[in-house]
Order: sequence, then C-alpha cells, then structure tokens
Amino acid sequence: DAKTTQPTSMDCAEGRAANLPCNHSTISGNEYVYWYRQIHSQGPQYIIHGLKNNETNEMASLIITEDRKSSTLILPHATLRDTAVYYCIVRVTQAGTALIFGKGTTLSVSS
Amino acid sequence: NAGVMQNPRHLVRRRGQEARLRCSPMKGHSHVYWYRQLPEEGLKFMVYLQKENIIDESGMPKERFSAEFPKEGPSILRIQQVVRGDSAAYFCASSPLAPRGTYEQYFGPGTRLTVT
Repeated sequence: DAKTTQPTSMDCAEGRAANLPCNHSTISGNEYVYWYRQIHSQGPQYIIHGLKNNETNEMASLIITEDRKSSTLILPHATLRDTAVYYCIVRVTQAGTALIFGKGTTLSVSS
Repeated sequence: NAGVMQNPRHLVRRRGQEARLRCSPMKGHSHVYWYRQLPEEGLKFMVYLQKENIIDESGMPKERFSAEFPKEGPSILRIQQVVRGDSAAYFCASSPLAPRGTYEQYFGPGTRLTVT
C-alpha cells in the first residue's frame, strides 16, 4: 500500500469547516483513498472513501486532486465530538486487504 | 442493524493465564480482521479470517496467539500464557462483500486486556 503523509495535529473552531490534508504521491491506479477516525480509545470509525471523484456522505466530503497525489477530508461544521485522530489510508480494494494505520492527524475542535 | 460486537470490553489476566477475546461481526459480514493497539501506539493488523478459514495471519506473533472463526458463533482471538507486553486494546473489524467491491471495514469497540 502507498504511504501517506498527514500533519501531526490541527485545530479547528467549533462550527467551522475542518479541512484535513493527506499526501499520497505514490498512489497506484487501483488504490482507493480511505478515511477513518478514532475518538479517544474507541474503535476506529469509517468515514468515507474514494477513487478519483469527489465523494460526499452524511459525515464528510472527500476531495481528491486530479492527479490523485493528494486529498482533503472536509468536515463542514466541526463539533466538539469531532475531536479525534484522523487516518488517511490508501489501499487496494480486495477482500482481506489490511488497513495500515499511520500516525494520523489529531484534530482538536474547541469552542 | 447492530454493529460489530466485542466481549468482554475489559479483561484482566495474571501473567501465565489465557485470554479469550470474542468478536461477532455485523450481520451479513463474512470477513473478520483483528488489530492490536499497544499503549501510545498505532493500530497494527494481526489476522484476517473468513468462516472456518484463516486467510492471512502475517501480523500475528508466532507463538501464543491463535485465532478462529467457526461456522457458527463468534470469532475468537486466543492468547495463551499472557505476558505484560500483551496488555493492549484489541479491535475486531468486519467487512461485507460490497457491491462495488470496496470492502470497507467496520470496527467494534475493542477489548482492553490488562496483564498484571
């Protein structure tokens, strides 16, 4: 799986959009970009994934650059409960492919 | 639709005892993964199972650890003769055979093992 690079930490004011970047310059054509988060010692939570088109669901939006070498996870209206470690993971999509978690970005949302 | 269930949530064992961790995947999911998170470290893949088969155990320690996913019942991660270094959070995840084949994994709340 391709390596990803994320900032160690970010801060965001409650109610504002949180934009979390991820670099994956060595991504292969068949690899998807996945985002998970882990809220203080809980199990990781799946957020969103995409291949090359931008994606949106009830939790977040995922913007992938045209060359697919980077992406941004957007939480449109961050709340205190969004404080967590966010992981950007690049992987091929086939059964049994393990998720390789890096250090992620610690997002702190404050009022 | 119940999520991935793990029990017990907390487990305390003395050195040398056995630990059994259980994972019930989401309904309709036939793929189970186990991950371990040591204190202040990231999550590490341990093993991937389908019903009655271990498919990939490349992340499992060579000794004392075993996993199974029987035809009936939950998946079990078994640690024999536990040592203090086994103290960690153990997470189970399951995935479906998704229509687009993207196999996103859904995690349980974890079992926190403490070895005294």
